[in-house]
Order: sequence, then structure tokens, then C-alpha cells
Amino acid sequence: GNSVTQMEGPVTLSEEAFLTINCTYTATGYPSLFWYVQYPGEGLQLLLKATKADDKGSNKGFEATYRKETTSFHLEKGSVQVSDSAVYFCALRMNRDDKIIFGKGTRLHILP
Amino acid sequence: DAGITQSPRHKVTETGTPVTLRCHQTENHRYMYWYRQDPGHGLRLIHYSYGVKDTDKGEVSDGYSVSRSKTEDFLLTLESATSSQTSVYFCAISEWGELAGLSSYNEQFFGPGTRLTVL
Repeated sequence: GNSVTQMEGPVTLSEEAFLTINCTYTATGYPSLFWYVQYPGEGLQLLLKATKADDKGSNKGFEATYRKETTSFHLEKGSVQVSDSAVYFCALRMNRDDKIIFGKGTRLHILP
Repeated sequence: DAGITQSPRHKVTETGTPVTLRCHQTENHRYMYWYRQDPGHGLRLIHYSYGVKDTDKGEVSDGYSVSRSKTEDFLLTLESATSSQTSVYFCAISEWGELAGLSSYNEQFFGPGTRLTVL
């Protein structure tokens, strides 16, 4: 079946470091891909998305590129801030499907 | 922010008691979902609804039931709560479609969560 695998955390970085959170997917077809972020005590909110191969989603300094050849959607940020500390979820949705499939989440800690 | 509220936000109950959680939306989206979030498991889908009175099971539906009598409300009921149902519960809404020009389409919006403790 369709699935999402993301790197296990926690990931701990110093402020201004470069961030990569890996995400790969398995799907029978071409899904839409998402990154969601969950700040402490809150629900998930959409960070960025891409709907077709080679699309790049971006928001708040974060980027992810839909790579069909490697079935990946890695999240990157050039210079992280303490306020980026959160749990990040990679997810996919197949066209005409009612549901989103989530990865297990990656907890990110940024140290000042 | 999408208009999604959950009530109650926190609840402590005892094993064997019934519990109902409410999700309310003001976006008129067709699809509504209940997830539970537990350490090491990420988000797991309990039940979802694709319209009034139309519901379907998710991957962890045992011990839970749902009802949707109005577009804006989706209720999750634990008929007889157990300690294994201690969790944080999230409601979500979606409107899937081909109207890509509408920014609210083709993504899922989440409520703030309900923390349930079953003693």
C-alpha cells in the first residue's frame, strides 16, 4: 500500500544551522505531497505542498522538491531558528482519495 | 485560520464511562476526520466522514463510533472508555476537488486537539 517514511528524531541543531529532514514515499501513482508542522500544544498546520513532479513547495524559509525519480520530498531550511522547534510530518494524498497518509513525524529541537 | 473548534479541550474520565468529543467547523467542508496522536505512532485515523450521515472507518476504529447529523459537527464517542484510549485527539477537515483556484481546497486543516485521560 501507499506509505510515507521519514527520518526518526529527535533532531537537535544549533541556531542558524542547515536543516534537512528526509522523507520518502511509496505510492502506486503520482501523489500530492505535503509537509505539516506541529508546534507544542497545537494542532498540525500545513507548511508547504507540491502536487506534481519537480514542483518545489516553499514557506517561511522552508523548501521541499517533489522528486519522482527518488520518490522523495526532503524538507530543507538554510538557517534554522529557535522558533522552528516543532514536530514535522511528511504526508501524501493520492488523487481522488479521501484520506491523507502521514509519516510518524520528526521532532526538531533548535538550541540557541 | 480555518474555523475548527474542538470541545472539550481537556477531559479526565474513568474506565468504563462513555465520552463524547465534538468537532465543529465553520468552513462548510464535506470531509471531516478524527485522529489520535500517541508517542511513537504519529497520527492514526479513527473514523472519517464524507458528508452528512456518511462515515467510514479508519485504521484504529475499534472502540469508537462517530456521528455526523449536520455538515458542521462531527462527534466521536467512546462507548466505554479504556486506559488505552488515553491520547490526544485531533479533528481535521478537507475539501478535495479540482477547483485549484480556491486556496482552501486540497489540503487538510486541523483543530487544536483534545487531551483525554482515562484513569
